[in-house]
Amino acid sequence: KAGVTQTPRYLIKTRGQQVTLSCSPISGHRSVSWYQQTPGQGLQFLFEYFSETQRNKGNFPGRFSGRQFSNSRSEMNVSTLELGDSALYLCASSLAGEVYNEQFFGPGTRLTVL
Amino acid sequence: GENVEQHPSTLSVQEGDSAVIKCTYSDSASNYFPWYKQELGKRPQLIIDIRSNVGEKKDQRIAVTLNKTAKHFSLHITETQPEDSAVYFCAAKGGSYIPTFGRGTSLIVHP
Repeated sequence: KAGVTQTPRYLIKTRGQQVTLSCSPISGHRSVSWYQQTPGQGLQFLFEYFSETQRNKGNFPGRFSGRQFSNSRSEMNVSTLELGDSALYLCASSLAGEVYNEQFFGPGTRLTVL
Repeated sequence: GENVEQHPSTLSVQEGDSAVIKCTYSDSASNYFPWYKQELGKRPQLIIDIRSNVGEKKDQRIAVTLNKTAKHFSLHITETQPEDSAVYFCAAKGGSYIPTFGRGTSLIVHP
């Protein structure tokens, strides 16, 4: 089974621009979560999608948004980029997002905002 | 919401020694506690997990213990090897189905 994939792997943007990141979950997985990882901060939860619906949302400003398509692929968008948005963005998929469902992470997209 | 504290932030050991990483959580509704290992430049991967109805779980050189009363759980690695060098994250998951992660422990195993 192919693992979770993310595109692009690296991205450089300037302040004020917007960016869209893509995540393809493991086949059959319906839950996709997004995390922001920065040094010393661990993994900060952004949002989770299940069956095309945002089911949970973390504590991030409205500039961060996402969506999920009928094939469970997910995208996240960040508008009006700020320097502090530079981070590794990880997505993770699981069967149904239930408590004991294992999350499988993608390789991440490294976003640099100049 | 849930809050997970993880200590230490950095742990340096000699090859063959044991390593222990500790986490505390705040939400008594949390009932699933996974541990992830993230090697440099790679994705986090689940290495072991424990459910709230179990006090200890082992898998070869790694083990996890859970104390529900005190709301803390620990990762134990015995006979450490250089390839154990990585960042380890604990997490707690419960009613919200979304895991809350600790800030990570950078484990360095010196040959």
